[in-house]
Amino acid sequence: LAKTTQPISMDSYEGQEVNITCSHNNIATNDYITWYQQFPSQGPRFIIQGYKTKVTNEVASLFIPADRKSSTLSLPRVSLSDTAVYYCLVGDLHYGNNRLAFGKGNQVVVIP
Amino acid sequence: DVKVTQSSRYLVKRTGEKVFLECVQDMDHENMFWYRQDPGLGLRLIYFSYDVKMKEKGDIPEGYSVSREKKERFSLILESASTNQTSMYLCATSLGGEQYFGPGTRLTVT
Repeated sequence: LAKTTQPISMDSYEGQEVNITCSHNNIATNDYITWYQQFPSQGPRFIIQGYKTKVTNEVASLFIPADRKSSTLSLPRVSLSDTAVYYCLVGDLHYGNNRLAFGKGNQVVVIP
Repeated sequence: DVKVTQSSRYLVKRTGEKVFLECVQDMDHENMFWYRQDPGLGLRLIYFSYDVKMKEKGDIPEGYSVSREKKERFSLILESASTNQTSMYLCATSLGGEQYFGPGTRLTVT
């Protein structure tokens, strides 16, 4: 089972780019890396998923080095509404197995 | 939009009671999950189901059981609630690589 490690918290000023890292040293060949965002009193919400290299969508980018033992979620030009807890998840959901490992979450606080 | 609903947002039960947490999804997804979320520990998988009547243990199944009699419904059962089961419980479904979460049930066992 992959174990994931994330920093506990970080602060950032509005308008800056925020980079959040996750370590997953024993990631398996079939595992994907997925990031979720969670606001208070809500369930986590999908942000982005990748397997290797770089993935970009309308809200974030995900950078995965060749060895896949870590990943970085990049949020461009954050606003106050991006204050949330960000979780990385390593595992293989495509084949419906239960090898899933969430990180403990990174509390991001955006400061005006 | 995928909708995942959980039967209660807040629940207070006494030690020793049998507790049922219900989760219903409206998108015909095969996979359903139950997690618990505790401060400083993140989300931990309790049980997982990939089809009706099928279940797999997650990381922390002790003290819990599950039931999936219909595809859209996945129930988490605490046979005899204990105070260390006070937590936020989150249900999720998945299609492909993305999970869809319900709003959570905050359970307090006194």
